[in-house]
Amino acid sequence: DTAVSQTPKYLVTQMGNDKSIKCEQNLGHDTMYWYKQDSKKFLKIMFSYNNKELIINETVPNRFSPKSPDKAHLNLHINSLELGDSAVYFCASSQPRTGGRTEAFFGQGTRLTVV
Amino acid sequence: SQQGEEDPQALSIQEGENATMNCSYKTSINNLQWYRQNSGRGLVHLILIRSNEREKHSGRLRVTLDTSKKSRSLLITASRAADTASYFCARLTGANNLFFGTGTRLTVIP
Repeated sequence: DTAVSQTPKYLVTQMGNDKSIKCEQNLGHDTMYWYKQDSKKFLKIMFSYNNKELIINETVPNRFSPKSPDKAHLNLHINSLELGDSAVYFCASSQPRTGGRTEAFFGQGTRLTVV
Repeated sequence: SQQGEEDPQALSIQEGENATMNCSYKTSINNLQWYRQNSGRGLVHLILIRSNEREKHSGRLRVTLDTSKKSRSLLITASRAADTASYFCARLTGANNLFFGTGTRLTVIP
């Protein structure tokens, strides 16, 4: 009964390929996110979806496209993969609450290696 | 940038000692959250401190606010080897997006 699950856990692929990472949450949350964690462990928000509407896109190349078939799923599709895309990608979800008490729940991460 | 700065970047202490990590943003911090990340795992929420709180406790965790409201500290008391992890502060924006700090890697030596 994992709250936020993402697949695959590991992904090794060649430059130029297209790949997708899937994310599902069973918490009934309205907001889902994708974060990228680089080799220095910096966590950068990539996308945020609230009720299937994209509400933020932080300087992410348009090779990255989030797709949300429904409120419980937010998949990340990456075209023409580059070496610099190698990182750990985290999916997260939250339910907006008043008073800044919104807490994010994270998946276990997908380690993407582009060779 | 909306990313926070944490210091130190890495901290190594003996079991039983206290660990202090600081988080600062270029803008004033309202509500601040702290998360923990074990190696190879996702982040887990630890504690939230709101803008009108000077100090907040949760078990061995204590979060305090400095008067400029641009910096907050996380204190872990009586550390244990199991506390070894990376710790991140996170600021929530009006759009309910969380922007994380650069993280502190804590090592507690048994």
